[in-house]
Amino acid sequence: GDSVTQMEGPVTLSEEAFLTINCTYTATGYPSLFWYVQYPGEGLQLLLKATKADDKGSNKGFEATYRKETTSFHLEKGSVQVSDSAVYFCALSESAGGYNKLIFGAGTRLAVHP
Amino acid sequence: EAQVTQNPRYLITVTGKKLTVTCSQNMNHEYMSWYRQDPGLGLRQIYYSMNVEVTDKGDVPEGYKVSRKEKRNFPLILESPSPNQTSLYFCASTINFEGSEQFFGPGTRLTVL
Repeated sequence: GDSVTQMEGPVTLSEEAFLTINCTYTATGYPSLFWYVQYPGEGLQLLLKATKADDKGSNKGFEATYRKETTSFHLEKGSVQVSDSAVYFCALSESAGGYNKLIFGAGTRLAVHP
Repeated sequence: EAQVTQNPRYLITVTGKKLTVTCSQNMNHEYMSWYRQDPGLGLRQIYYSMNVEVTDKGDVPEGYKVSRKEKRNFPLILESPSPNQTSLYFCASTINFEGSEQFFGPGTRLTVL
């Protein structure tokens, strides 16, 4: 079945550092790809998404590009802030029984220090 | 405010004592699902529902039941909880078009002793 692999954490950075969190996927079709973020004590929120190859999703300074040739969807941000500390999940959408369920990676914890 | 609510947020129980975690959404979404989150495994789907009275198993349904008698509510039932069901549980809802966002509740942290 479809799967998502993302880099293990935790990732620890200083404020204003550059962030990359790697995500690769395996899928039989052409799924939509997502990054969700989980702040401490909260549920998951959609951060950004891309629905077809070469699309770039962006939000709050984060970006990710849907690369079909490398089956990747790496998350980047040019200058992280302490408030970006959270767990980040890469996910793809898989149609199963008429429901577009999400297949998640294991999550990457990001800690940003002042 | 559009939201998904879950109750309780925290629950400690003992093996075999039936429990229900409630989930409610106010966005008129037809599609709802339950996930569990475990360290190193991300989130895995337990059950999903495509409409009232329409439910189906996800990837890890063993030991769980659900019901969908109203569009807004999708409770998760553990009839005989066991310690391996200790986890963080999330309810989600969506309009289910390709690429559509899933909206998650705040989570329920369950500990089964």
